[in-house]
Amino acid sequence: NAGVTQTPKFRVLKTGQSMTLLCAQDMNHEYMYWYRQDPGMGLRLIHYSVGEGTTAKGEVPDGYNVSRLKKQNFLLGLESAAPSQTSVYFCASNRGYTEAFFGQGTRLTVV
Amino acid sequence: KNEVEQSPQNLTAQEGEFITINCSYSVGISALHWLQQHPGGGIVSLFMLSSGKKKHGRLIATINIQEKHSSLHITASHPRDSAVYICAVGDTDKLIFGTGTRLQVFP
Repeated sequence: NAGVTQTPKFRVLKTGQSMTLLCAQDMNHEYMYWYRQDPGMGLRLIHYSVGEGTTAKGEVPDGYNVSRLKKQNFLLGLESAAPSQTSVYFCASNRGYTEAFFGQGTRLTVV
Repeated sequence: KNEVEQSPQNLTAQEGEFITINCSYSVGISALHWLQQHPGGGIVSLFMLSSGKKKHGRLIATINIQEKHSSLHITASHPRDSAVYICAVGDTDKLIFGTGTRLQVFP
């Protein structure tokens, strides 16, 4: 089982560029989440999805968009990257109210 | 004040020592999670508990719902236990995370 897979693992962007982070899970989980992790702060929820075709805003959604066209995939988009979006991004999935499974993280630097 | 507070923020220990990491929270929850993150690595779920105590190998997690407090214990610590340990609480389908406790275990 691959579990939760994130691509890419590392990326450097210039300010204003766009990119998409892909999260794929093979556990048939309904719930998927995108978090960002910054030094000295706990993981913060960006967006989440409770099922295919649904998305919802989390704590820090500004500057990000998401899509869940297929149950196994959850995409996080940055339309116009800013240095404040330099962070480590984690995807997670679960069945809701259960143990969460996390990806390995994507380290994004915006210069 | 953060809704989830962990203590200590940093912890060093000698191999073999008994370790305790604490988590206090201020919101109503349905479950509390303990997670482990190795340097440069992903995040792994250790425990999810809503009452009492759970044990897995050398790891023990306890929770006191009335006091809104949980502890993670590591018995006979080993250098491979060096990691950041994160407490997270959830009431709905979302989790609130603590900032983590960085543990270093020296041989």
